[in-house]
Formats: sequence, C-alpha cells, structure tokens
Amino acid sequence: RKEVEQDPGPFNVPEGATVAFNCTYSNSASQSFFWYRQDCRKEPKLLMSVYSSGNEDGRFTAQLNRASQYISLLIRDSKLSDSATYLCVVTPGGSQGNLIFGKGTKLSVKP
Amino acid sequence: DAGITQSPRHKVTETGTPVTLRCHQTENHRYMYWYRQDPGHGLRLIHYSYGVKDTDKGEVSDGYSVSRSKTEDFLLTLESATSSQTSVYFCAIRDTGRGRYEQYFGPGTRLTVT
Repeated sequence: RKEVEQDPGPFNVPEGATVAFNCTYSNSASQSFFWYRQDCRKEPKLLMSVYSSGNEDGRFTAQLNRASQYISLLIRDSKLSDSATYLCVVTPGGSQGNLIFGKGTKLSVKP
Repeated sequence: DAGITQSPRHKVTETGTPVTLRCHQTENHRYMYWYRQDPGHGLRLIHYSYGVKDTDKGEVSDGYSVSRSKTEDFLLTLESATSSQTSVYFCAIRDTGRGRYEQYFGPGTRLTVT
C-alpha cells in the first residue's frame, strides 16, 4: 500500500460547483497533515494545514479522520482560479519533519 | 514568500558531467530539503539538512550528494549525471516558527540530462 494515496483525477467541474478531494495514508503514526496546491510548472504552495477538529478557510474545508486514516478537502463555489493540482501531504513525525506527498489530484474548473 | 531562490532555474547537461544546484534562503531557517518531482510520482525527498554541516539521506539519495557550509545555502550535486536524473528539483525550508512541519518551496530547477 502506498504511503499516501489520492484519486489522480482529473476532476472537471463547472464554476460554482462543490468539489471534494480524498486522501488516505498508511502510517498510523503520522502526525501532521496538509493540503498543498501546485499550478502547472510551479512549486507546491501550502493551502491548508489539517487539524483533528477540522478547519475552514473561506471556501476551503479540510477534515481529518485519524481512525480511518483519511483526509479530505472540500472546495465550495469553485472558481476558474482554483484549477490546479492538489497534493495531500503527511509527515510521519520525527524531528526531521520529512513530508510524504501523494501524487496529486488535478482539478479543472470550466466556465 | 519564504525568501527561497534556486539556481540555475533551467539546465541542460550531458550524461556523465557533474552538476550542482543551489538553494539559497534569506530567513535563517535551520531545516532545508531537496526533492525531485517526476511524472507519475509525488515529490520525493533526496536529502535534507538540519543545520550547518548536518545532512541526511532521503528516499531517493543514490547518485546525489549535498553540502551545507552556511545556513543560507544548501547545495545538491549530481556527481555524474544520468538520464534518470532528468527531473524538476525543488528546494524547501521548514519554518518552525509558523508551525511544526509546514514546508515552503523554492521555484524549482528543471534539469535535463541528455
């Protein structure tokens, strides 16, 4: 089982749609969880950290289910500018803080 | 903006030649990382550093070496480049001041080995 698994997509949605990304991780000792966004030919950029209680930032909501080892990201009222690849990222812990990346899910928002 | 620059941004080199990529940061972060990104793979860790002269291997370290002689610079060297090392290389820092594990990335170096 891969350490971090995501649906590769692509997800093609119209503007204004709600879209959900899911991610599972294999290491139950993982300590921190993130969603990054990566535009074509650009570096990954931190979108959100994911907390056990769930967290929301505007149109974006992230959820963590430790028992199921499952992370989600919900985007409401999607915009054309949300088109990108979304990377699920976990850290197995330890002081070095290494990150384990999923392969990403590509999102295309159409007019 | 985490103040990270990478150089060169693009490079084409021949098989067997040595190549050094540079990552430079301006904010005195202790932790620095080198990743590579290839189609069909997530970002994979090559090497990381947890201080000046303190480095360790990541998941895909074979064929790569690193050095960190001062806090602001982390160098990645391909001793003898191979075509399998054609990739996009990203440097990252961990800002322990903002959160424990969030990392911030430089703009990347596109390396082609012919």
